[in-house]
Amino acid sequence: AAGVIQSPRHLIKEKRETATLKCYPIPRHDTVYWYQQGPGQDPQFLISFYEKMQSDKGSIPDRFSAQQFSDYHSELNMSSLELGDSALYFCASSLFPESPFTDTQYFGPGTRLTVL
Amino acid sequence: AQTVTQSQPEMSVQEAETVTLSCTYDTSESDYYLFWYKQPPSRQMILVIRQEAYKQQNATENRFSVNFQKAAKSFSLKISDSQLGDAAMYFCAYRSTQGGSEKLVFGKGTKLTVNP
Repeated sequence: AAGVIQSPRHLIKEKRETATLKCYPIPRHDTVYWYQQGPGQDPQFLISFYEKMQSDKGSIPDRFSAQQFSDYHSELNMSSLELGDSALYFCASSLFPESPFTDTQYFGPGTRLTVL
Repeated sequence: AQTVTQSQPEMSVQEAETVTLSCTYDTSESDYYLFWYKQPPSRQMILVIRQEAYKQQNATENRFSVNFQKAAKSFSLKISDSQLGDAAMYFCAYRSTQGGSEKLVFGKGTKLTVNP
């Protein structure tokens, strides 16, 4: 079965640079979530989109922005990168929860961002 | 805000034996979902099992089962016949059913070691 695709899988940036992470949800999934997992920590919710509109927002820095496109893929844009942004960034997708069995979030493999 | 607590940072089990991972949560909502995700060394987040709060019957998936105690706000995971491949970090997660709040709230995780 098709899974969530994230690219790139690894990214190395210098401080103050910008980075763009991409997420391609499971086909027919209309909702995308972004999570950040620091070293040795649990994933923290950043932001989510449903039908190209922002649906919820967590502890996402103002330096970060995201959007969902007409084909439902999403991009997380990160500017003025800081050392503390080094983390594993997960994208998860689901179907809008119209029924209890369709809304489980399935995670991509993550993008490992290293800021030097 | 909802919180999820996993009181066991690390657990170990002998191969073929049974182990139970604990999870408690705090919420004022009456309807919600609970999940266990597994994160092996590859860092992929893999869904293990889910439970709807309105269901009294405990969820089961092959060797994995939960003990859901709604009044006590407890959601433990039992792994039977443990296998070496079960070694991973296990995260308990809560998800609201309120519109616009479908993000997952994770516990800090329990690292499970399986000894041969």
